[in-house]
Amino acid sequence: EVQLVQSGAEVKKPGESLKISCKGSGYSFTSYWIGWVRQMPGKGLEWMGIIYPGDSDTRYSPSFQGQVTISADKSISTAYLQWSSLKASDTAMYYCARSTGPYYGMDVWGQGTTVTVSS
Amino acid sequence: QSVLTQPPSVSAAPGQKVTISCSGSSSNIGNNYVSWYQQLPGTAPKLLIYENNKRPSGIPDRFSGSKSGTSATLGITGLQTGDEADYYCGTWDSSLSVLFGGGTKLTVL
Repeated sequence: EVQLVQSGAEVKKPGESLKISCKGSGYSFTSYWIGWVRQMPGKGLEWMGIIYPGDSDTRYSPSFQGQVTISADKSISTAYLQWSSLKASDTAMYYCARSTGPYYGMDVWGQGTTVTVSS
Repeated sequence: QSVLTQPPSVSAAPGQKVTISCSGSSSNIGNNYVSWYQQLPGTAPKLLIYENNKRPSGIPDRFSGSKSGTSATLGITGLQTGDEADYYCGTWDSSLSVLFGGGTKLTVL
């Protein structure tokens, strides 16, 4: 079964760093892109960026460029989304999803990771 | 406000048909594939339609997609109460980003 399993919920303070993960299984991890999508409470979907684990080619949405870092470790079939200094406005659900490319749909989604940033 | 415009809500009775529109521009829908996603309450989004009108395996043919110019449409026939969800369109944009519509809440009366 093809699946993406994300790391668990996080509660952090403003200014702290964080790295959440997304582990792929049941398919060739290096042959598909992994994208990250933010959903703030009660709001819609926002595309953050995408990475191709095969060669680490990474593209960021202009809205998120410089705000987060997307990476991947193909040896353990895992993609990451990280922040160096969290803000309260980073409180959201974050989804990873598989894609055949930035121009195509996202066909397999992780279950989501809730990030809460509060003092 | 999203660059891709969807109606905030639509509703119809069980068994009926509903369409959800997604309006964009030549910078996005007009020159790229459109995908549609279903998000049931409290769950992750699910791909319903890709490349404008193709259904992934396991998606019933009650769901259909079309595109004309700078607009796309999701159609759902034989509505079921289990179809109550938020629906999002998505496409690539010349700003070098995937865009999603603001989402449409479907109510099955």
